[in-house]
Amino acid sequence: SYEVTQAPSVSVSPGQTASITCSGDKLGDKYAYWYQQKPGQSPILVIYQDNKRPSRIPERFSGSNSGNTATLTISGTQAMDEADYYCQAWDSTTGVVFGGGTKLTVL
Amino acid sequence: QVQLQESGPGLVKPSQTLSLTCTVSGGAINSDDYYWTWIRQPPGKGLEWIGHIYYSGTTTYIPSLESRLTISLDTSRNQFSLNLSSVTAADTAVYYCARGWRSMMGAVKWFDPWGQGTLVTVSS
Repeated sequence: SYEVTQAPSVSVSPGQTASITCSGDKLGDKYAYWYQQKPGQSPILVIYQDNKRPSRIPERFSGSNSGNTATLTISGTQAMDEADYYCQAWDSTTGVVFGGGTKLTVL
Repeated sequence: QVQLQESGPGLVKPSQTLSLTCTVSGGAINSDDYYWTWIRQPPGKGLEWIGHIYYSGTTTYIPSLESRLTISLDTSRNQFSLNLSSVTAADTAVYYCARGWRSMMGAVKWFDPWGQGTLVTVSS
């Protein structure tokens, strides 16, 4: 079955760039999606179809996907960006898959 | 703006059936663009897609739950529902309903929006 993998945690200083990665076999041949989840809240979509940003999401959020890795990049990270981030993909055999999530700490 | 809201009991006894309803407002549920989806999150853990229903009534379930899971649609009430039978403590989770966007070829794309989620605890 298809799986995608994320590092459990990433730390970044305020104002710096955070990169959160998601790995899977030939993930670049699929679309990657990214969700932000803050404590006690439901997930919200921040990136769709690899690199598209919903209008309500700040421009500092961007995405890329190539080879075996999709990357969510947060430029000029702010304290409000501290959250769990989940990648998601769809595989024709397995169906919907979520990564295990990455906890972003801004310190 | 489409909104989703889960409702149902917060406590279910082991071996009983967990039943939840998701009410969709601000848009029609009988659209061929979407999969009406249930996703769960055990306390302190990650997200798990468990199944969806298309406006035609066609369902797709995660294999590990397929024997216990039923998702149904009520277009007259703009609602869809989840029934999970023979629950155990392992089914304790926050259950989210979400709108899944569907590609023209039938693939699942992204989930947006999500409901606020409802915690269901399985305990005697």
